[in-house]
Formats: sequence, structure tokens, C-alpha cells
Amino acid sequence: EDQVTQSPEALRLQEGESSSLNCSYTVSGLRGLFWYRQDPGKGPEFLFTLYSAGEEKEKERLKATLTKKESFLHITAPKPEDSATYLCAVHPVLNFNKFYFGSGTKLNVKP
Amino acid sequence: KAGVTQTPRYLIKTRGQQVTLSCSPISGHRSVSWYQQTPGQGLQFLFEYFSETQRNKGNFPGRFSGRQFSNSRSEMNVSTLELGDSALYLCASSATSGSGVEQYFGPGTRLTVT
Repeated sequence: EDQVTQSPEALRLQEGESSSLNCSYTVSGLRGLFWYRQDPGKGPEFLFTLYSAGEEKEKERLKATLTKKESFLHITAPKPEDSATYLCAVHPVLNFNKFYFGSGTKLNVKP
Repeated sequence: KAGVTQTPRYLIKTRGQQVTLSCSPISGHRSVSWYQQTPGQGLQFLFEYFSETQRNKGNFPGRFSGRQFSNSRSEMNVSTLELGDSALYLCASSATSGSGVEQYFGPGTRLTVT
């Protein structure tokens, strides 16, 4: 069964303290792995899509990487405005647009 | 381009009532998916429509239904509301391009069932 697990559930960082969020997945065939950011009470905001192992994408202080079994979201020198819940989702090959989401990592960056 | 819009943004209903939520996808996107988000279960897939046809359905009871119109706008309906239906309902519109699949979410409709 297609499944996504994110860790840690919550992460507290000091401003400037770099870290990584993990998304491990099992899927029959991966069409794409998506990262989203979600602020309280709002819809998820698209960040990245990764398609194949070894692929990396960057946006400001965020960098996403992909292996055959997991993806990492690296946050370099985070700022308080990076505080949010980060969601990972897999898009299986044979499921049209049915995405499987992880439960998210709630990031809190303290000044 | 305008983003995904959902109406209403907030809704309070009583147990046993029914509710209809609306979603307008990004212009040019023909696929619309619906998700339910709760603190305990996270984001769970409800169903997906493409060109007015339901292509995929999640594990929700038949009280949850949807449809898509020829202009790609979509509605979802929940009948005989239960307290456990209180959630953030999210609509996402998708398109496939040469660079892959793009999926964008709307702001959601917060449904409270009392």
C-alpha cells in the first residue's frame, strides 16, 4: 500500500540553526514527490516537485532532495517566517491525481 | 493567473443537515481534487474529477459526493452531516505539462458541524 511517513512530527530551531526534515515513502511507482508549506488555517502552498532519485531543487533557504525511498527538505539558516507545517506527498504512477500525504512536520523557528 | 478559489470560506452546520462546497480551479486546469484535513488524520483524499468524470475516489462513505461542470468548476456535497465531518476541506487543481504535474491548493473551506 502507498504510504508516506514524515519525521520529526515537530521541530524547534533557533534562527540560523540549519536542519533537515525527512519524508520516507513506499509506493508502487513514483510519478512525483511534492513538498508543500502550510500556514495555520490556510491551504498548502506548493514548494517543489521531484521526479527521480538524485534530483535536487532549491528555493531561497529550502533545498529538497530525493532518493529511491525518501526525500529530505533541508532548511539553511532558517528565519522565524519559515515557521509552518511542511507536508510531503507522493503521486503514484497508476493513480491519476490521487496524492498520498504525510502527516507533516511542524517547524517553529525562534528568533 | 488567479489561483484556486473556494467558497464559502467558513460554514457552520447542524448535525443531519447537508452542505455544498464550491471550487474554481486555475484557468486551464481540468483536474480538480478534494481533500479533507483534520488534526488527527491529516490530509485525506476524497475524490478527483477530470473533464466532468470522477477518476478516483478515496475511502469515504457515500454521504460524500462531488461533481464537475464543463467549465471545470467543481462542487462537493456532504449529506446527513456528522460531528466528525468538521474539518478543513481543500480543493486542488492540477495540470500536466512538459515538466510534469503541477498541483495547487485553494484556501479551503472550514466546516464546523454542531
